[in-house]
Amino acid sequence: GENVEQHPSTLSVQEGDSAVIKCTYSDSASNYFPWYKQELGKGPQLIIDIRSNVGEKKDQRIAVTLNKTAKHFSLHITETQPEDSAVYFCAPSYGGSQGNLIFGKGTKLSVKP
Amino acid sequence: KAGVTQTPRYLIKTRGQQVTLSCSPISGHRSVSWYQQTPGQGLQFLFEYFSETQRNKGNFPGRFSGRQFSNSRSEMNVSTLELGDSALYLCASGAMTGGSTDTQYFGPGTRLTVL
Repeated sequence: GENVEQHPSTLSVQEGDSAVIKCTYSDSASNYFPWYKQELGKGPQLIIDIRSNVGEKKDQRIAVTLNKTAKHFSLHITETQPEDSAVYFCAPSYGGSQGNLIFGKGTKLSVKP
Repeated sequence: KAGVTQTPRYLIKTRGQQVTLSCSPISGHRSVSWYQQTPGQGLQFLFEYFSETQRNKGNFPGRFSGRQFSNSRSEMNVSTLELGDSALYLCASGAMTGGSTDTQYFGPGTRLTVL
């Protein structure tokens, strides 16, 4: 089965700095790579995703990069703001198992004003 | 469009009791998945239902069960509760349009405390 590792487990940055979280997976069949953000008292919410035929995707201050050869993908947040403080999860998967997500352990991001 | 709703939001039970949690997916979504979230184990997949059939099941004991109704609403049941079942139970729904990978939309969860 899929083995997912996420690093770092905690990350503290100053407001305005960049943050990078890396997710490593084991299943070479994985072709869908989402990142979820979970705020206190809420369920995880998808913030960005990428598919295996694309190397990078950007959405304003958030970007995801994929290295299929090395089997890892990363979340990049630029110009961090206090509202970016949350726990971030990666959940690589493959077609046909969309409802069976294997999550990383999460990264707690703290953005200090 | 309303999001995924889960009821109740909070629940306190004692060991040995059973509990039923409910999930209403986003209108038009046919897939419902359940996850358990604990500080120690993180987010773990329980089971997935599509068109009233269980498609996938995670590595949980038989005390955990679920079902899906014809309107796509889903329930999960935990019998003979143990202290270790205390967790946030999350429901997610997906459109399952077929062929492509669908986004999973999560509800706010049900916080279960077992005393």
